[in-house]
Amino acid sequence: ETGVTQSPTHLIKTRGQQVTLRCSSQSGHNTVSWYQQALGQGPQFIFQYYREEENGRGNFPPRFSGLQFPNYSSELNVNALELDDSALYLCASSRQDKNTGELFFGEGSRLTVL
Amino acid sequence: TQLLEQSPQFLSIQEGENLTVYCNSSSVFSSLQWYRQEPGEGPVLLVTVVTGGEVKKLKRLTFQFGDARKDSSLHITAAQPGDTGLYLCAGSGGSYIPTFGRGTSLIVHP
Repeated sequence: ETGVTQSPTHLIKTRGQQVTLRCSSQSGHNTVSWYQQALGQGPQFIFQYYREEENGRGNFPPRFSGLQFPNYSSELNVNALELDDSALYLCASSRQDKNTGELFFGEGSRLTVL
Repeated sequence: TQLLEQSPQFLSIQEGENLTVYCNSSSVFSSLQWYRQEPGEGPVLLVTVVTGGEVKKLKRLTFQFGDARKDSSLHITAAQPGDTGLYLCAGSGGSYIPTFGRGTSLIVHP
């Protein structure tokens, strides 16, 4: 069974730039959720994708956007980067038909904005 | 928005000691998960509880869900250095999109 994989693992950007983070879901999982984890904090929900559509969104501005592809993989795009966007971005996959709230996380993408 | 408060925020203990971590909310949850996260890695699922009063054991870890499904505790018996990490609780309502607490950072010294 293939777990959740994320890329890149680390990246550095400057203010105003744009970034794309990628995630491959665990085999058998059809739902992808993205979380932002700032240093010393718990993960904050950004949005969830199911059947290639946004299925829920947290309190993040529109410059945070996403996509889900037919193979259930997903992208997180952030435009006009700000210093406060520096964080660990976590992707988690799950099965929509198994409604338990259980999430299976990748190792994350560490974004630093200078 | 469902808010989850975890306590204590930090815990530093010696190997062999027992400890309890708490997760509290004013909201009722359909399910609650506990995760452990090590530095530079994503959270790893430890357990899911769904029934009020439910107790689950995972080796030296005991998880309890409150009767009203608003709170939970994690008890570790005879802690070992390998237990070191950030312990996160996450609760879900009807949408089953989890909200996470801030976490309890545990360090177990040999």
